[in-house]
Amino acid sequence: SQQGEEDPQALSIQEGENATMNCSYKTSINNLQWYRQNSGRGLVHLILIRSNEREKHSGRLRVTLDTSKKSSSLLITASRAADTASYFCATVGNTPLVFGKGTRLSVIA
Amino acid sequence: EPEVTQTPSHQVTQMGQEVILRCVPISNHLYFYWYRQILGQKVEFLVSFYNNEISEKSEIFDDQFSVERPDGSNFTLKIRSTKLEDSAMYFCASSGLVQGATDTQYFGPGTRLTVL
Repeated sequence: SQQGEEDPQALSIQEGENATMNCSYKTSINNLQWYRQNSGRGLVHLILIRSNEREKHSGRLRVTLDTSKKSSSLLITASRAADTASYFCATVGNTPLVFGKGTRLSVIA
Repeated sequence: EPEVTQTPSHQVTQMGQEVILRCVPISNHLYFYWYRQILGQKVEFLVSFYNNEISEKSEIFDDQFSVERPDGSNFTLKIRSTKLEDSAMYFCASSGLVQGATDTQYFGPGTRLTVL
């Protein structure tokens, strides 16, 4: 399975701090995508990083990909209360998205 | 900004009944997907659809499920005879302006299906 698995399962930080979430997967991929899900809501695409990329930025988000270690990290800088959500990595190989269980991020104001 | 829409937002049905979940993908997208998320669990892939046919399906997508693109805009998921374990949030997604199945998938807000 290409399954992405996020770590930690839950993370609680103060507003303004940085939040780092990690994702590990098992097989080769075409790309890896990070999504956010607010409680009971849909999935919002955050960022896609292709297998030949090592780092990508989008606003306060920074994603890294290490294909040798089959891992990725998502860094949210200067976190805000509105960043409170579950964050999922999803890998794409030869099959559609395979999601991990997610990291529940709580940002306390 | 274009977005995927889904109706209804919440569907309650009796076990054994048929339900149809509707989605309007982003126009000009070519690939369409259904996923589901049972409460507290992972998002699971059900089926992908391209060029008016199923391109891939998971083990979950058995004979009780079917998909259809009845016109140029809608994409539907039908569950013929619902079971209690079909209760979940169902997400539609679309992608595919460039590289198809490996491109960014944009998700709708989901339909919460409750089977009683």
